[in-house]
Amino acid sequence: GAGVSQSPRYKVAKRGQDVALRCDPISGHVSLFWYQQALGQGPEFLTYFQNEAQLDKSGLPSDRFFAERPEGSVSTLKIQRTQQEDSAVYLCASSLHRGPRETQYFGPGTRLLVL
Amino acid sequence: GENVEQHPSTLSVQEGDSAVIKCTYSDSASNYFPWYKQELGKRPQLIIDIRSNVGEKKDQRIAVTLNKTAKHFSLHITETQPEDSAVYFCAATPNNAGNMLTFGGGTRLMVKP
Repeated sequence: GAGVSQSPRYKVAKRGQDVALRCDPISGHVSLFWYQQALGQGPEFLTYFQNEAQLDKSGLPSDRFFAERPEGSVSTLKIQRTQQEDSAVYLCASSLHRGPRETQYFGPGTRLLVL
Repeated sequence: GENVEQHPSTLSVQEGDSAVIKCTYSDSASNYFPWYKQELGKRPQLIIDIRSNVGEKKDQRIAVTLNKTAKHFSLHITETQPEDSAVYFCAATPNNAGNMLTFGGGTRLMVKP
């Protein structure tokens, strides 16, 4: 079946621009996560949704980062006034249920480069 | 919060040899420990996971061991093959801290033919 998909796969932005990254989770998956992966490092948690509810946004690095999942399926991560330090791969993951020991399936990521 | 340390950061082995990657975690409430393999430019893919009610789990050439007392867990790959070359990440998630994964820094495994 179809896995997690993300778009765009690559995004180049000028410093100060706003960007929007899209995640399509596996159909029927309740939980959705966003992670940020800097070059050569492990993914770091940004935010978590259970259906349409954003239950944890403790990992968002600043108020320039905003995520939503209005209908409990597709999610969008928005970064306003991008900075060079925002350059990273943004990974989305989904899991079927809401339990803490559920397998998370990752998308291919969006590689963001801020010039 | 949880902190996961992973060693070594790079590992080079000869094809057919075994590879071992070790991780330690800080939060004793953590009870789920997945391992992901990430090839260059690709998505992380789950290769094996272990839950805190077992000490060892094996799947063909891959095994994971967990020592809850010492708060460490390890990935063992036997009979390594060139296609095992990738970056491997361990992760942990506490039961009482939401569902997010805390990842280690990764191990770049190179299997030389």
